[in-house]
Amino acid sequence: GAVVSQHPSRVICKSGTSVKIECRSLDFQATTMFWYRQFPKQSLMLMATSNEGSKATYEQGVEKDKFLINHASLTLSTLTVTSAHPEDSSFYICSARVTSGGGTPPETQYFGPGTRLLVL
Amino acid sequence: AQTVTQSQPEMSVQEAETVTLSCTYDTSESDYYLFWYKQPPSRQMILVIRQEAYKQQNATENRFSVNFQKAAKSFSLKISDSQLGDAAMYFCAYRAGTYKYIFGTGTRLKVLA
Repeated sequence: GAVVSQHPSRVICKSGTSVKIECRSLDFQATTMFWYRQFPKQSLMLMATSNEGSKATYEQGVEKDKFLINHASLTLSTLTVTSAHPEDSSFYICSARVTSGGGTPPETQYFGPGTRLLVL
Repeated sequence: AQTVTQSQPEMSVQEAETVTLSCTYDTSESDYYLFWYKQPPSRQMILVIRQEAYKQQNATENRFSVNFQKAAKSFSLKISDSQLGDAAMYFCAYRAGTYKYIFGTGTRLKVLA
């Protein structure tokens, strides 16, 4: 199946700093990627849809200036948490919608392993 | 608005037995996709099975099968011959034309040896 990687897998940072998380599709092209946030023992909440070459589409209630998304190529999307605060601590997951390659149907999203962010 | 409901926060099954996880959804769309994802303790989301709404035949993947009732908007997952490695959170997900997934709240499956 299609493989999506995320880096870093976990990060600890001080309050007020910015953190960048990378999401890569390894064996397929993804014009659309998605960023989710998951709190402990809860479901995945969609934060934004990342579109290659255009601006991201944010879900209602998600601060676009705080969670900056850049989708500069067909295999890479980045999420930058700016001026992070303890309440931003969470598990962030990306997924990629298969556009071509990977041998899988395009209706399916494949997920990265997630990034655990802890803001002190 | 589309919604996905998983009414069973937690389920238990004896090893080698069969268990069914429930999922209902609400939509006015006629063309959509439904998925079951598994999230083990590693938290990596793993696709278990998918179903296209236009297909009447229920999807199957080895020990996993679904009971898709389109009129009732029901999409249950049956796991046969349960194994210890099946223990995980299971999420039902819906996807329509915008490609966005809407997830249910999840069901934690425990497999008893």
